[in-house]
Amino acid sequence: DIQMTQSPSSLSASVGDRVTITCQASQDISNYLNWYQQKPGKAPKLLIYDASNLETGVPSRFSGSGSGTDFTFTISSLQPEDIATYYCQQYDNLPPTFGQGTKLEIK
Amino acid sequence: EVQLVESGGGLVQPGGSLRLSCAASGFTFSSYAMHWVRQAPGKGLEYVSAISSNGGSTYYANSVKGRFTISRDNSKNTLYLQMGSLRAEDMAVYYCARGSLSGDAFDIWGQGTMVTVSS
Repeated sequence: DIQMTQSPSSLSASVGDRVTITCQASQDISNYLNWYQQKPGKAPKLLIYDASNLETGVPSRFSGSGSGTDFTFTISSLQPEDIATYYCQQYDNLPPTFGQGTKLEIK
Repeated sequence: EVQLVESGGGLVQPGGSLRLSCAASGFTFSSYAMHWVRQAPGKGLEYVSAISSNGGSTYYANSVKGRFTISRDNSKNTLYLQMGSLRAEDMAVYYCARGSLSGDAFDIWGQGTMVTVSS
C-alpha cells in the first residue's frame, strides 16, 4: 500500500494566518491526490481533488498544489470555521490511502 | 439534495455479524461507484470496500477481505455492507461515500453509523 505522510500532525494558528500542510507519498502518485476537511463529529468533506482542483462550493481561500510525491494544502487566510482535521488521500493505487491527518486549531 | 444516509450500526459481540445500509437520494445512484470508509474512535480514515456502478466489480481492503461483503440494489438506491466474524479492531464509524464520476475522489459522504464490537 502507498503510505501518505502528513506534516505537521497538529497546528495552531491565528485568524487571518496563512496555513500550509504538506503530504508526502511513498511513491509517485502523479496528481491523484485529494484533500478532505473533517469537523468534529462530522463526516469528511472533499475540498480539493486531483491535487489542485477546488471542489464546487469550496471557498477560494483553500488551495492545493504538487505532483509526484510532494503535495501542499494551503488556507490563505484562516477563518474560525476552518477548525477541523485535514486529510490527504491518494487514489493512484488500490487501496486508496489517507494521511494520518492534521488537526488545525485556532490560537 | 444529494444525500447518503447510513443505518444498521450497533453493538455486536466479537465473532458476530451486522449489515449496514446506505440510502442514497438526490442523484442517479446507478451511475456511481460507491465506497465504505471507516474511522476508529479517535483515529484516522481507513478505506474498506468499493463496488462499481452496476455491482459487477468489488474491492476489499486486506483487513476485511473474506469477512465483509459489499453489495448494492440500484432499484432501491441502497448500498450495503455485510460484516461477519467481527473483531474488536472493526469497531469504528462506518461512512458510505460516493465515488466521483472521474473516479478519483469521494465527493459525497454520509453521516456515518457506529459499529461497536464488544462482549
